[in-house]
Amino acid sequence: AQSVTQPDIHITVSEGASLELRCNYSYGATPYLFWYVQSPGQGLQLLLKYFSGDTLVQGIKGFEAEFKRSQSSFNLRKPSVHWSDAAEYFCAVVISGGYNKLIFGAGTRLAVHP
Amino acid sequence: KAGVTQTPRYLIKTRGQQVTLSCSPISGHRSVSWYQQTPGQGLQFLFEYFSETQRNKGNFPGRFSGRQFSNSRSEMNVSTLELGDSALYLCASSDSGSGNTIYFGEGSWLTVV
Repeated sequence: AQSVTQPDIHITVSEGASLELRCNYSYGATPYLFWYVQSPGQGLQLLLKYFSGDTLVQGIKGFEAEFKRSQSSFNLRKPSVHWSDAAEYFCAVVISGGYNKLIFGAGTRLAVHP
Repeated sequence: KAGVTQTPRYLIKTRGQQVTLSCSPISGHRSVSWYQQTPGQGLQFLFEYFSETQRNKGNFPGRFSGRQFSNSRSEMNVSTLELGDSALYLCASSDSGSGNTIYFGEGSWLTVV
């Protein structure tokens, strides 16, 4: 079955440090890939998405993600984290033929130390 | 454009009751899907509607149902509520097709007591 793995449940970084959140998917073909962010008590905000083309995609709030087919990965990065980035981050995929059904990873909760 | 709007935002129900949640998608979007978010199970897909037809369904009991109206607005209903139905219910909308950008609402917090 298709699945999405986010290996890190919690990550703590210092403000100004770089960040990388990992995401791996299990699927035979290349799915559509998404990263969402959720602040406490809020819905999901789309950070960025990959459908095809350039494997390095830019998103909002200074985030970027790189699709690596050989590793079935879609890791999220930010060069310098701000305190306001503290939130939960979800990687998700839509498989071909899956219409708009998102399969989510378990999420990574990010804490930012001043 | 207005975003995805969900009502009510918060509600408390008693076991055995039923609840109806409403979702208005982004203008022009014809696909509406629903997700349940709980601490234990994470984000799980409930169902998706497109042009008033359910075209995808998750692994939930029949107590969970939904529908979509001709204006693309959608409702989901949970009957015979159980304590385990306490969750954040998220609605998402997208324009036609598969794998388009999917936008979420703020969610409806349901507490079952």
